[in-house]
Amino acid sequence: DGGITQSPKYLFRKEGQNVTLSCEQNLNHDAMYWYRQDPGQGLRLIYYSQIVNDFQKGDIAEGYSVSREKKESFPLTVTSAQKNPTAFYLCASSTGQGRSPTEAFFGQGTRLTVV
Amino acid sequence: AQSVTQPDIHITVSEGASLELRCNYSYGATPYLFWYVQSPGQGLQLLLKYFSGDTLVQGIKGFEAEFKRSQSSFNLRKPSVHWSDAAEYFCAFHSGSARQLTFGSGTQLTVLP
Repeated sequence: DGGITQSPKYLFRKEGQNVTLSCEQNLNHDAMYWYRQDPGQGLRLIYYSQIVNDFQKGDIAEGYSVSREKKESFPLTVTSAQKNPTAFYLCASSTGQGRSPTEAFFGQGTRLTVV
Repeated sequence: AQSVTQPDIHITVSEGASLELRCNYSYGATPYLFWYVQSPGQGLQLLLKYFSGDTLVQGIKGFEAEFKRSQSSFNLRKPSVHWSDAAEYFCAFHSGSARQLTFGSGTQLTVLP
């Protein structure tokens, strides 16, 4: 079945550590996105990528980094510079800019907790 | 600036009652509009979308939404709510030239037995 897979589902990070969240899609979508979700704040865009080897900062990119070496994969690294990383992280994909926009398809999310 | 607003943070309805969730957008042209639903600890599932044409859109799970250009609104409705509809609902829009969806802050729906 086509879809988006995020792993792990739960992740615990110690202070000062970098952690990487995985996102893989087999929908052949060009565009991929990372959102952060906090209670009462909806979804905020961290980074997005419209094509392999290219990505752009979203509204809250500070303390995060991404790579897009393959069309199927868009991992997110939460660095030690992110002062408040505890949140629910959602990865999504879509057909991308330049075509009739379709909906974004979402993974099941990763809950990151700082311990 | 392009934005989408969901005025109601939390709505409570009784099972079997009708439901309307509000969504307003700010954009100079007709946007692409979406409603998503999220169960606790899960990703988002698309309920319905509006791109053009008929302004009354049917979605999954018995939901519908009506696009009203004059009111810049895209309200979600359901005639009879089921307990399983309890979730958080997000309105989103895409301007076509933008590179990503813009989401509202969400409306939490509680269904009373």
